[in-house]
Order: sequence, then structure tokens, then C-alpha cells
Amino acid sequence: LAKTTQPISMDSYEGQEVNITCSHNNIATNDYITWYQQFPSQGPRFIIQGYKTKVTNEVASLFIPADRKSSTLSLPRVSLSDTAVYYCLVGVASGTYKYIFGTGTRLKVLA
Amino acid sequence: GAVVSQHPSRVICKSGTSVKIECRSLDFQATTMFWYRQFPKQSLMLMATSNEGSKATYEQGVEKDKFLINHASLTLSTLTVTSAHPEDSSFYICSAPRGGLAGYEQYFGPGTRLTVT
Repeated sequence: LAKTTQPISMDSYEGQEVNITCSHNNIATNDYITWYQQFPSQGPRFIIQGYKTKVTNEVASLFIPADRKSSTLSLPRVSLSDTAVYYCLVGVASGTYKYIFGTGTRLKVLA
Repeated sequence: GAVVSQHPSRVICKSGTSVKIECRSLDFQATTMFWYRQFPKQSLMLMATSNEGSKATYEQGVEKDKFLINHASLTLSTLTVTSAHPEDSSFYICSAPRGGLAGYEQYFGPGTRLTVT
């Protein structure tokens, strides 16, 4: 089970781009990288998933270098509603894979 | 998108009683579901893997006789906290994987807040 390391917390201001980096040095060949967002008293919500290079969707971008030992979630022009905990998860994209959550990054967006 | 529901959303029970939490995949079938527990300001901790038609598998340190899991159908898993104590008060979250073009994605329920008095 790959272990991930993220900054415990980050502060940003509205309208800025936020980049959260996750380290996963022992990622396996078949592992995907997935990011989730969690608001207080809610279940985690899927943000983005990728295997290599760059993935972009309507809410975020995910940058993965060639060695895949880290990944960076990029949130463009954050707003106050983006204040949440962001989790980086690494694992096989299968129906039985057990995701182990790390500490997550507590992002606080300031006005 | 795929939806996973949990019921109840919050429950308060007296110490010594049992509480059942339901997890349903609303628009897809899930032979496997996962149960997590989350204490305030902490990360999610995996408790067990619920398997349809077979016994659940528990993570190390999780008492299987205290946290009974039943995967009754392809869309329903239940977690029963037996003889609950105040230290069992926590936020319980389930998840179910759903296959897609890029592999499987975990869909999480909204969580159940359990308070044991």
C-alpha cells in the first residue's frame, strides 16, 4: 500500500491558484493517483484521477512527473468555498483495492 | 454521477445499545464496499472491507465482534456498532467502487455521525 505525504495545511487568498503536492515515493506500476476533497461532516468527493503526465477537468489539473513519485493538484482561482481538506490517494484502480488515507492537506482560503 | 447514500445521517444512542448504519449504492451494484471511521480533525481510518456474499475483512485493531458488517445485497451494506460506548462516537463513512473507462473510482457516502451518551 503506497504511502503518501502531503503538507498538513495551506493558506491562500481568493482568486489565487493553489498547488498541493503529494509525495508517493513507493508508487507501484499499476497505481493510479486520485485526489479527493472533503468538507466538514461530509464524505470525500472525487476531484481528479491520473496515471501520468497531466490531466485536466472542469475543476482542477493534476500534474504527474515522469518518475511518478509525486503529483501536484492545481486548483485555479480558488474561492472561499474551496476551503476543505484535500487527500491524495495512490492505488490500483480496481474494485477491491483498499485506499489508505494519509493526513490530507487542510486548505484555508482567505478573503 | 454515481451516488452512495447512508442512513441515518446522524444518530444518538445510549451506552450499551446497538446501532445499525446502512450504506447503499443507489445506481450501481457493488460487490465490495468499505467502511471508514473519522474522528474530529483527523483523517479517515479504514475499518473493514464488506464483501457481498461472504464475510467482511477487518483491518488490524478493529474488533469484528463489535463492528458487525453484513453485505446483504449488491447495493446494501450495513455496519452495526454493538454495545456502543462513548469512545465509539465518531463519523462513519462508507464507500463503494464503480468501474469506468479509466478503471475504478471510489464513491463515498455522506457519512453518519454517531454520538453515544
